Amino acid sequence: GAVVSQHPSWVICKSGTSVKIECRSLDFQATTMFWYRQFPKQSLMLMATSNEGSKATYEQGVEKDKFLINHASLTLSTLTVTSAHPEDSSFYICSARASNRVNEQFFGPGTRLTVL
Amino acid sequence: QQQVKQSPQSLIVQKGGISIINCAYENTAFDYFPWYQQFPGKGPALLIAIRPDVSEKKEGRFTISFNKSAKQFSLHIMDSQPGDSATYFCAASKNSGNTPLVFGKGTRLSVIA
Repeated sequence: GAVVSQHPSWVICKSGTSVKIECRSLDFQATTMFWYRQFPKQSLMLMATSNEGSKATYEQGVEKDKFLINHASLTLSTLTVTSAHPEDSSFYICSARASNRVNEQFFGPGTRLTVL
Repeated sequence: QQQVKQSPQSLIVQKGGISIINCAYENTAFDYFPWYQQFPGKGPALLIAIRPDVSEKKEGRFTISFNKSAKQFSLHIMDSQPGDSATYFCAASKNSGNTPLVFGKGTRLSVIA
């Protein structure tokens, strides 16, 4: 149980285009989802906290208009990187917290974004 | 301000040996301390977690030791195997549904034969 999927697993796009990444909790309802980015050989950097049916809470320094987050249902959250640039190239990872399992976070497999 | 400090940054252990990774936290409100294992190109996987009401938790070859007064916790991997070679992250959070995990910087473990 507690499986989180991400789609796509990797994506290559041209500078200036937008990319949408989906995060799904497959066998549980996730009241809260988190989005992270990770640069090579570094730790996970929290970008935003997403609650179903409400606006995401962004961490300081993360542009909410550039990284659009939608948590439309208890099993799906999406991250859209708008007008992507090469510096947005990174490994994006989502995690989900089950409503009945306080604290525990289950991570997706990540999405490798490369912006040319 | 780094709320969770992890050491060492990298670790090389002989096969069959014990791998020890340490973390220290600052926020006394933290009450959940998980360890995650991450392989290259993959998302982190929950390995083992502990709450401050116990001083030790063991699951197979993995043990967490927790010292509340020192605000420290550690991961011990017994009988380390080459397949354990990965990056390990400690984390901490408060007991709240919306509170995110605070991660350490990670330890890259290499188990050599």
